[in-house]
Amino acid sequence: AQSVTQLDSQVPVFEEAPVELRCNYSSSVSVYLFWYVQYPNQGLQLLLKYLSGSTLVKGINGFEAEFNKSQTSFHLRKPSVHISDTAEYFCAVSGQGAQKLVFGQGTRLTINP
Amino acid sequence: DTEVTQTPKHLVMGMTNKKSLKCEQHMGHRAMYWYKQKAKKPPELMFVYSYEKLSINESVPSRFSPECPNSSLLNLHLHALQPEDSALYLCASSQEGGGQNSPLHFGNGTRLTVT
Repeated sequence: AQSVTQLDSQVPVFEEAPVELRCNYSSSVSVYLFWYVQYPNQGLQLLLKYLSGSTLVKGINGFEAEFNKSQTSFHLRKPSVHISDTAEYFCAVSGQGAQKLVFGQGTRLTINP
Repeated sequence: DTEVTQTPKHLVMGMTNKKSLKCEQHMGHRAMYWYKQKAKKPPELMFVYSYEKLSINESVPSRFSPECPNSSLLNLHLHALQPEDSALYLCASSQEGGGQNSPLHFGNGTRLTVT
């Protein structure tokens, strides 16, 4: 079985500052890892995914994440945030043979001008 | 624009009403999902259809009844709901069911209020 922990429920940052949203997972099998973003009054949108291969994954809107197997982490980063990045961010994990995706509790990213 | 379309966007219903939520995708995906999301929480899986067959029911009360008429459509029939069922109901699809290495594509949801 898989599980995922998002270490911060809220992250406030100033506009144009860098940000890191933390995600740790546990799994007994090979993992597939995802970050989704949810803007107000919308569904979830895929930011990026790690299935295999290069551990540095680039996604949409300037986000990237690094898969670290030894630390069982998949932290999301952006070097310079914009007001429009204000949203809820969900880390999710699945694995070989898994029937469903497991979501973290979410991190609320708030960008202050 | 989302490629998964959900209707209606908002729904208010009484506890004795019967209503249906609809979801449509034209990406050729073979798996479709219903999720329930309460405020400030992650989505909770309710049902999964894979190749038009129900493959997962997460012990959802029988007042929620899913239906998959064809590979592009997914319905959720609602009857005798409780106020605690008020939530955002999200539909999603993915290329394949099971294995879960296919990303989910979500609709924008139906905001349901039960009075």
